[in-house]
This record gives sequence, C-alpha cells and structure tokens, in this order.
Amino acid sequence: LAKTTQPISMDSYEGQEVNITCSHNNIATNDYITWYQQFPSQGPRFIIQGYKTKVTNEVASLFIPADRKSSTLSLPRVSLSDTAVYYCLVGGSMNRDDKIIFGKGTRLHILP
Amino acid sequence: GAVVSQHPSWVICKSGTSVKIECRSLDFQATTMFWYRQFPKQSLMLMATSNEGSKATYEQGVEKDKFLINHASLTLSTLTVTSAHPEDSSFYICSARSMGASTDTQYFGPGTRLTVL
Repeated sequence: LAKTTQPISMDSYEGQEVNITCSHNNIATNDYITWYQQFPSQGPRFIIQGYKTKVTNEVASLFIPADRKSSTLSLPRVSLSDTAVYYCLVGGSMNRDDKIIFGKGTRLHILP
Repeated sequence: GAVVSQHPSWVICKSGTSVKIECRSLDFQATTMFWYRQFPKQSLMLMATSNEGSKATYEQGVEKDKFLINHASLTLSTLTVTSAHPEDSSFYICSARSMGASTDTQYFGPGTRLTVL
C-alpha cells in the first residue's frame, strides 16, 4: 500500500486558489489517486480521482506529474465553506483485496 | 454520484449492550464495503473489510468477536458492537466500493456517532 504525505495544515483566504500537494513515492502502476474532503462529524466526500496528467471537474483540478510520485489538488477561488480536512489516498486498482488506508490529511482553514 | 447511507446517525447506549449500525449503498451494488472508526481530531482508522457472501477481514488489533460484521447482500453491510463499553464511543463510518470500467472508487456514508454511557 502506497503511503502518502501531506502538509498537516494550511491557511488561505477567501477567493484565493489553494493547492495542496501530496507525496506518494511508492505508488504502484495500477494505483489511482483520489482526494476526499471531510467536514466535522461527517463522512468523507469524494472530490476527484485521477491516474496521470490533469483531471478537472466542477469542484477541483488534480495535477499529476509524469512520475506520479506526487499529486496536487487545486481548489479555485475558495470560500469559508471549504474549511475542512482533505485526504489524499492512493489505491483503487481493480484488486478485490485492495483497501485504502487514510493518512493524517491536511486541515485547510479558510480565513475571511 | 454514488450514495451511501448509514443508520442510525447517532446512538446512545448503556455499557454492556449491543448496537447495530447499517450501511447501505443506495444506487449501486457493492461487493466490498469497509468499516472505519474515527476519534476526535484523528484520521479514519480502517477496522475491517466486508465482502458480500464471505467473512469479513479484520485489521490487526480489531476484535472480530466484539465488532461483528455481516454483508448479506450487495447493498447492505451491518456492524454490531457487542457488549459496548465507554471506550467504544467513537464515530463509525462505512464505505462502499463502486466498481468502474478501469478502477473503483470508495464512497462513504455520513457516519454514526456512538456514545456508550
């Protein structure tokens, strides 16, 4: 299982773009990278998933370099409601026995 | 997106009693579901992997006789905390694996807050 490393916490201001980088040096060939958002007393919410290069949806963008040893979640124009913990997870290959282990995540605090 | 529900959302019980938590995938079938536990200000800790029609696989340190898991159908897994004690008080979260064309994605339930008095 690939281990992930993220900054423990980040602060930003409303309207800014926020980039959270995750390191996963031991990522396997079949592994995908998935980001989740979690608010207090709620289950994690799926944000975005990718394998390589760039993926964009209505919420965020995910940038993955060619070596796939890191990834960056980009949140455009954040608001106060984006204050949450963000988890970077690696796995999701079509292996029945595959499981995802959560790291400590990044606590993002958006300031007015 | 895929929806996973949990019931109840919160429960308070007396020490020594058993509590059952249900996890349902509402719009997809899930052969695999996962159960996590989360303490305040900490990350999610995987407790067990639940596969439909077979015995659950427990993580090291998780007592299988205390945390009974049943995955009787492709849309329902249950976690029963037997003889609950105050130290079992926690936030329990399930997830269900949705199989895609090239990969799969876990979708999480809203969680169940268990308080044991």
